[in-house]
Amino acid sequence: NAGVTQTPKFQVLKTGQSMTLQCAQDMNHNSMYWYRQDPGMGLRLIYYSASEGTTDKGEVPDGYNVSRLKKQNFLLGLESAAPSQTSVYFCASSAPRGGAYEQYFGPGTRLTVT
Amino acid sequence: QQQVKQSPQSLIVQKGGIPIINCAYENTAFDYFPWYQQFPGKGPALLIAIRPDVSEKKEGRFTISFNKSAKQFSLHIMDSQPGDSATYFCAAAGGSNYKLTFGKGTLLTVNP
Repeated sequence: NAGVTQTPKFQVLKTGQSMTLQCAQDMNHNSMYWYRQDPGMGLRLIYYSASEGTTDKGEVPDGYNVSRLKKQNFLLGLESAAPSQTSVYFCASSAPRGGAYEQYFGPGTRLTVT
Repeated sequence: QQQVKQSPQSLIVQKGGIPIINCAYENTAFDYFPWYQQFPGKGPALLIAIRPDVSEKKEGRFTISFNKSAKQFSLHIMDSQPGDSATYFCAAAGGSNYKLTFGKGTLLTVNP
């Protein structure tokens, strides 16, 4: 079991460039999440997906889009990167409703926008 | 609006000490309160969690104390070790909402 994997581990973008962060889980979890972590701000939810094919906005969705076409994958897109999006991005997944709050996190993607 | 307030921001203790990290919440619909541990360069990992039907839960050296009337919960680390040095996050979720709301984190340093 690889758990939750994220690619890439590191990325440097120039302002205005676009990219997609990839997340995969092999635990057959229904729910998946994208967070960003900034110093002193904790973990803030960007988007989440309760099940394959559904997505919803979290606390800080502006400037991002997501896609959940397959149960095991959750993609986070940056359409036009801005320096304010420099952050560490974590993907997580959780079990169906009975254990829905136990989220398992990936290792993170460190993104720098110059 | 910050729904989960965590303190202190940072904490330094000597080996063997008992660091205590506190969290307070506002939403009375919350019914699940986990703590996550994060080492540098890694993703957070679930450490221990509690539901409000109990006032205390222990797992090894880690204990959660829960005060429903005060809407507060805390993490105690017994006999702390340098290997416990990490950032700790409290969180809360509840009702039909399976999303976690996180505190801002506490950086714990345990000196040898």
